[in-house]
Amino acid sequence: EAQVTQNPRYLITVTGKKLTVTCSQNMNHEYMSWYRQDPGLGLRQIYYSMNVEVTDKGDVPEGYKVSRKEKRNFPLILESPSPNQTSLYFCASRTLGLLYNEQFFGPGTRLTVL
Amino acid sequence: SQQGEEDPQALSIQEGENATMNCSYKTSINNLQWYRQNSGRGLVHLILIRSNEREKHSGRLRVTLDTSKKSSSLLITASRAADTASYFCATADRGSTLGRLYFGRGTQLTVWP
Repeated sequence: EAQVTQNPRYLITVTGKKLTVTCSQNMNHEYMSWYRQDPGLGLRQIYYSMNVEVTDKGDVPEGYKVSRKEKRNFPLILESPSPNQTSLYFCASRTLGLLYNEQFFGPGTRLTVL
Repeated sequence: SQQGEEDPQALSIQEGENATMNCSYKTSINNLQWYRQNSGRGLVHLILIRSNEREKHSGRLRVTLDTSKKSSSLLITASRAADTASYFCATADRGSTLGRLYFGRGTQLTVWP
């Protein structure tokens, strides 16, 4: 089954404790991205990657890191989480190109930083 | 902001009625997409309409696009309680070589049995 998986689905942590949210897709997509979703603000892109070893900042990259060592994986790293990073996070992937770029989303990771 | 803006923010209807949601955007686009999100879940792609198309259908969904007004509408006919969800429009800018998507804030649709 074609899918994007994220782990963990729920995480409660404390300020400053490094964490990683994993993302994996099995569709051989070149493009992967991370979003955060907050009430009233919609989805905002954090980082994206067009291919292995190619990453770039989205709209709200501060406090986050990513890496793309393999095509299927795109982990999101919070080196020193803060309470304002409490949010619902989504990983997404799609093929590159403009003609048809439907995005496939993971189930989400609900992060609470105390 | 390049975000699309959905209208209304919330819509409440009875089963069997039609639901119409609108999306306005600011830039020239390559395509516009609609997604659905059940509470706390991931977004699911519903339909894509290209800039050279004016109308598209998929089951009970009908999407229109008016590039002169920079607006789109999503019509769900004969709504069901299971259609209760948030609906987002997303635009792919014409000028972007990446085809990056910009999402609006969504319309919360509630369908009462």
